[in-house]
Amino acid sequence: GESVGLHLPTLSVQEGDNSIINCAYSNSASDYFIWYKQESGKGPQFIIDIRSNMDKRQGQRVTVLLNKTVKHLSLQIAATQPGDSAVYFCAENIGGSGAGSYQLTFGKGTKLSVIP
Amino acid sequence: GAVVSQHPSWVICKSGTSVKIECRSLDFQATTMFWYRQFPKQSLMLMATSNEGSKATYEQGVEKDKFLINHASLTLSTLTVTSAHPEDSSFYICSARSDRVNGYTFGSGTRLTVV
Repeated sequence: GESVGLHLPTLSVQEGDNSIINCAYSNSASDYFIWYKQESGKGPQFIIDIRSNMDKRQGQRVTVLLNKTVKHLSLQIAATQPGDSAVYFCAENIGGSGAGSYQLTFGKGTKLSVIP
Repeated sequence: GAVVSQHPSWVICKSGTSVKIECRSLDFQATTMFWYRQFPKQSLMLMATSNEGSKATYEQGVEKDKFLINHASLTLSTLTVTSAHPEDSSFYICSARSDRVNGYTFGSGTRLTVV
């Protein structure tokens, strides 16, 4: 079935630089997207989300961009820090009112390594 | 904020035994609980979805008789891996959603090793 995918499995960046993590999704019915950070041996941690009626949303040091035309989602981290090193997942939800309306489908993940 | 407490954080068991994993929502009522399995260097794969007081809905390929899910209250859901085998070794994660709390709250995960 349709699933969320990522372009880059690994990303290494210099401390202080900006990071961009990409995600391609194929389900045009998805209307809610979330970025999660997962550190080794821990559960996913919410970073930022965006609904399909928006194309950009900003948080603290993070920005999510949504391009529905090409079904692409990106996470931008400004001034990347060593503590940002983790695996990042995008997740999508198709919404609606059916039994699976709240289910999240996760992408494959990108490992971000920050070089001090 | 919303917190989900998952226990145990890790467990080692012998083949053929059963293991129970608990997830409790500490400060909100979890209308829906999701259980995921994650193999090393892979993504989270949804196993089942459970609503309080209802039978869980399992994803294709997940054996409901092997992975027993109970969601008897709005603050507690359990996953029991029955007759565990080495191939069941994985990282299991729960996620709770509430109609009142925006978003999804994840537990810290349980590392299961079957020997």
